Amino acid sequence: AQKVTQAQTEISVVEKEDVTLDCVYETRDTTYYLFWYKQPPSGELVFLIRRNSFDEQNEISGRYSWNFQKSTSSFNFTITASQVVDSAVYFCALSEAGGYSGGGADGLTFGKGTHLIIQP
Amino acid sequence: DGGITQSPKYLFRKEGQNVTLSCEQNLNHDAMYWYRQDPGQGLRLIYYSQIVNDFQKGDIAEGYSVSREKKESFPLTVTSAQKNPTAFYLCASSSLGFNTEAFFGQGTRLTVV
Repeated sequence: AQKVTQAQTEISVVEKEDVTLDCVYETRDTTYYLFWYKQPPSGELVFLIRRNSFDEQNEISGRYSWNFQKSTSSFNFTITASQVVDSAVYFCALSEAGGYSGGGADGLTFGKGTHLIIQP
Repeated sequence: DGGITQSPKYLFRKEGQNVTLSCEQNLNHDAMYWYRQDPGQGLRLIYYSQIVNDFQKGDIAEGYSVSREKKESFPLTVTSAQKNPTAFYLCASSSLGFNTEAFFGQGTRLTVV
């Protein structure tokens, strides 16, 4: 069965520090997608990035970067020069091609989230 | 503006009552989902629907029911059979396909009093 593990329950850093959020996943599918979402205090999840299982290129978007390594089943997320507005809960999630019904939109398997606190 | 609207934002239920949470989307998405979020537990899938008049159980469907009579709407009923209903409920929608991102509503916080 699929599983996503975010071992860091809470991380607290001072503004402008770099911070990495870890995500490790388990799946038997060879075809899958990984996602990161941000949940600010308002509660709504905001999509950040999607990566498919055949694309191991790292990605950078402004202060955000993602490191996908199939060899270690990890999809880590780094925020460079953190800001107070980055404070939120961050979720890593997995979607498999197999899924419940064999390839449709069957929902995501989420990790338990990492609560990131950026102190001014 | 396109998006997902959940209502109400806060809901209080007496023990033994059924309550219905509303979810409406105007993104023309085929798929809709309900997730439950408990502190420190992440999000868990309750039900999902890929087409009108059809829906499937997720990981924790017991004590919940849904309907999908219209493409835009996917209400969730928390029945009296749900033993521990106090939680934060999130509705989402997406295009079909395991590679598409989901869009989320702002959630309903349900409390049993």
